[in-house]
Amino acid sequence: DVQLVESGGGFVKPGGSLRLSCAASGFTFPTAWMNWVRQAPGKGPEWIGQIKSVRDGGTAAYGAPVKGRFTISRDDSENMVYLQLTSLKSEDTAVYYCTRDLRYGPTTGAFDIWGQGTTVTVSS
Amino acid sequence: VLTQSPSASASLGASVKLTCTLSSGHSGYSIAWHQQQPQKGPRYLMKVNRDGSHTKGDGIPDRFSGSTSGAERHLTISSLQSEDEADYYCQTWDTDIQVFGGGTKLTVL
Repeated sequence: DVQLVESGGGFVKPGGSLRLSCAASGFTFPTAWMNWVRQAPGKGPEWIGQIKSVRDGGTAAYGAPVKGRFTISRDDSENMVYLQLTSLKSEDTAVYYCTRDLRYGPTTGAFDIWGQGTTVTVSS
Repeated sequence: VLTQSPSASASLGASVKLTCTLSSGHSGYSIAWHQQQPQKGPRYLMKVNRDGSHTKGDGIPDRFSGSTSGAERHLTISSLQSEDEADYYCQTWDTDIQVFGGGTKLTVL
């Protein structure tokens, strides 16, 4: 089965750091562009950022609210994608989802697989 | 970039058409529809292209279909069931950016 499983969420104080992980299985991970999306309580999804496949350059791009504070990386040997969160603020409290963008196919650009999410709570 | 009506409602067994409108300058973009049932994570439904063609996710019933009219991308759900009561979000993308619409809360009466 195609699956994404996030982990690493928890409680953290403002200014703190956390690393989220996403384990992928059931598809050819190295060819996929991977994204992180978050959803604050009672709000809609918000795109955090993406990391391209290595063959497409392996570069990352970020949304304005997190640029300079969050970093996305990937390990194709382990089928893992990571989200490093630093300088956390209370407004970063959300469920964080890992999603897949399977490039060069009919769903290019769309998030066609979502993980179950991991919750990050930033509070003093 | 993406505009959705905040709410919609329809009766059990009826059909409903949800709309996602692309802003000026983006009217040719493809979008994706996602469903979020209460207390669950989002689920990919389909990608809808400017020509109205669409690519559905695995296991998405035939009751769900997509279409296009100008800058509007539609999601039509027929034979509404109680489990279709959910939030529906559209998503689009460009170079190094992804955007979500504000979502439509669908109530099944």
